[in-house]
Amino acid sequence: EAQVTQNPRYLITVTGKKLTVTCSQNMNHEYMSWYRQDPGLGLRQIYYSMNVEVTDKGDVPEGYKVSRKEKRNFPLILESPSPNQTSLYFCASSSLLGVATDTQYFGPGTRLTVL
Amino acid sequence: GDSVTQMEGPVTLSEEAFLTINCTYTATGYPSLFWYVQYPGEGLQLLLKATKADDKGSNKGFEATYRKETTSFHLEKGSVQVSDSAVYFCALPRGFQKLVFGTGTRLLVSP
Repeated sequence: EAQVTQNPRYLITVTGKKLTVTCSQNMNHEYMSWYRQDPGLGLRQIYYSMNVEVTDKGDVPEGYKVSRKEKRNFPLILESPSPNQTSLYFCASSSLLGVATDTQYFGPGTRLTVL
Repeated sequence: GDSVTQMEGPVTLSEEAFLTINCTYTATGYPSLFWYVQYPGEGLQLLLKATKADDKGSNKGFEATYRKETTSFHLEKGSVQVSDSAVYFCALPRGFQKLVFGTGTRLLVSP
């Protein structure tokens, strides 16, 4: 089954404790990205990657890092989380080839609470 | 810059009622337009899309027509079901592969 998986689905942590949210897709997609969803703001892009070792900032990158060492994985790293990063996070992927390049596939979300 | 404006929710309807969720956009040119749906506890799924002006996207009984005159892409369904309860997002692409989302509209359908 084609899917994007994220782990963990729920996480409660404390300010300053480094954490990583993993994202993996099995569709051989080149493009992957991270969004955060906040009430009244919709989804905003944090970082994106067009392929292995190619990453760039989205609209709200401050406080986040990413890496793309393998095509299927795109982890989101919070080196020193703060309460304003409490949010619902989504990973998404899409193909850069073929006819459906404008269709993005989303993971189930990770609800992060930073105390 | 490019943006999407959706009606505030929640929208509360009884089963079999007619649904309209308004979406208007501001964009340069005529980008593709999308509706995504987020069911409780799940990620977003593409519901439908339209790639050019006057196109109508449709899926699962939902429809939306790309109207460049009014810069709108309203979502409609003739008869909603309880299973349609979800959050609906209007979106358009900005730049390379990035989506700009509206704030989402929650639909609650009661039996």
